Amino acid sequence: GESVGLHLPTLSVQEGDNSIINCAYSNSASDYFIWYKQESGKGPQFIIDIRSNMDKRQGQRVTVLLNKTVKHLSLQIAATQPGDSAVYFCAENIGTAAGGGADGLTFGKGTHLIIQP
Amino acid sequence: GAGVSQSPRYKVAKRGQDVALRCDPISGHVSLFWYQQALGQGPEFLTYFQNEAQLDKSGLPSDRFFAERPEGSVSTLKIQRTQQEDSAVYLCASSLQEGYQETQYFGPGTRLLVL
Repeated sequence: GESVGLHLPTLSVQEGDNSIINCAYSNSASDYFIWYKQESGKGPQFIIDIRSNMDKRQGQRVTVLLNKTVKHLSLQIAATQPGDSAVYFCAENIGTAAGGGADGLTFGKGTHLIIQP
Repeated sequence: GAGVSQSPRYKVAKRGQDVALRCDPISGHVSLFWYQQALGQGPEFLTYFQNEAQLDKSGLPSDRFFAERPEGSVSTLKIQRTQQEDSAVYLCASSLQEGYQETQYFGPGTRLLVL
């Protein structure tokens, strides 16, 4: 099964409200987590990342929370705007360092965020 | 500055044809990744290069898939004898340094349709 997953496939919020997108991971060895935004026809766009030695990290209008006890990750978007409509993916990287390099990211299925006017 | 670019953006192939997908990473980026994204799914890792060395190809689904990065910059993903199940978006990403906590920047992808 997947190491990273999402609770809800679709989230609909009113413009101006805050959005919270959740993600669960199963591999306790994961120590680096990333949120990506993907608009239709485009590649994933980096939003924010967090390392396992942190519980919270803030960016511009976004906050990522990490709860290692229950292996849960969330992305909070403040004052949601129409341009926030997209599919949001959480991803993890265990960093096995096989051969001394970086391994690929493991993505969840994604949550489709819909902004209601 | 320019981001990751990929070409072609769309490719239609008949079953059995060979295809080649190109990735131009951000200039100076050491690490390069290929991912496959099926419709409605998250990207899945295919292979990883550090400069010209292919350090991880554990995600390549079969020996019909081959990737190279001979000069440590541009990379090509080749799929031989394409099958319908190969239809997907193929994404390329690059990061400045080696190391798994480096931010990966993605290109727009190549949408492959095998008929």
